[in-house]
Amino acid sequence: AQSVTQPDIHITVSEGASLELRCNYSYGATPYLFWYVQSPGQGLQLLLKYFSGDTLVQGIKGFEAEFKRSQSSFNLRKPSVHWSDAAEYFCALPGTGRRALTFGSGTRLQVQP
Amino acid sequence: SAVISQKPSRDICQRGTSLTIQCQVDSQVTMMFWYRQQPGQSLTLIATANQGSEATYESGFVIDKFPISRPNLTFSTLTVSNMSPEDSSIYLCSVPFGPGGPQETQYFGPGTRLLVL
Repeated sequence: AQSVTQPDIHITVSEGASLELRCNYSYGATPYLFWYVQSPGQGLQLLLKYFSGDTLVQGIKGFEAEFKRSQSSFNLRKPSVHWSDAAEYFCALPGTGRRALTFGSGTRLQVQP
Repeated sequence: SAVISQKPSRDICQRGTSLTIQCQVDSQVTMMFWYRQQPGQSLTLIATANQGSEATYESGFVIDKFPISRPNLTFSTLTVSNMSPEDSSIYLCSVPFGPGGPQETQYFGPGTRLLVL
């Protein structure tokens, strides 16, 4: 069955530092992959998605993610973090035979001034 | 894109009571999903609601506890019945929007934050 693993439960970075959030997936074929962000007290907002083609995907708010088939990874990156990026980040992919998403456990990002 | 609203945004309820959560979409969509997010946890799919048919529930969720209605293509309700403190969660509805396949994006409502005392 498809699954998503986010190894880091909590990450703290300084404002202005670079960021990489890890996501590993298990899927029989080339998956569609998504990154969502959930700010405190908010719903989920789509940051970016991958479905084929260029393995480096650009998203909103200066985020990008790189699909690496050999490593079964889809890590999220940002070159310079802003305090407003503090939030929970979820990696996701569609479940087996359905359009609903299976989510990773999430990574909580804290930004230090 | 799709804009989704939910009511109520939050509520505090007594155990043993029921709460109905509404989800309204600004476009007609065939499929809607209901998720639960327990405190500090990820999202878990409760059920898929298609207009004109019975909702399909995931393992661990039953219709008697989480009855769902889907009266038209823009609206759905989820009821949390006979609540206990373990039902304290954020409940989110979502819709897949787009032509399907890789062009499809799943949009989420803002969530309903439920606390059961």
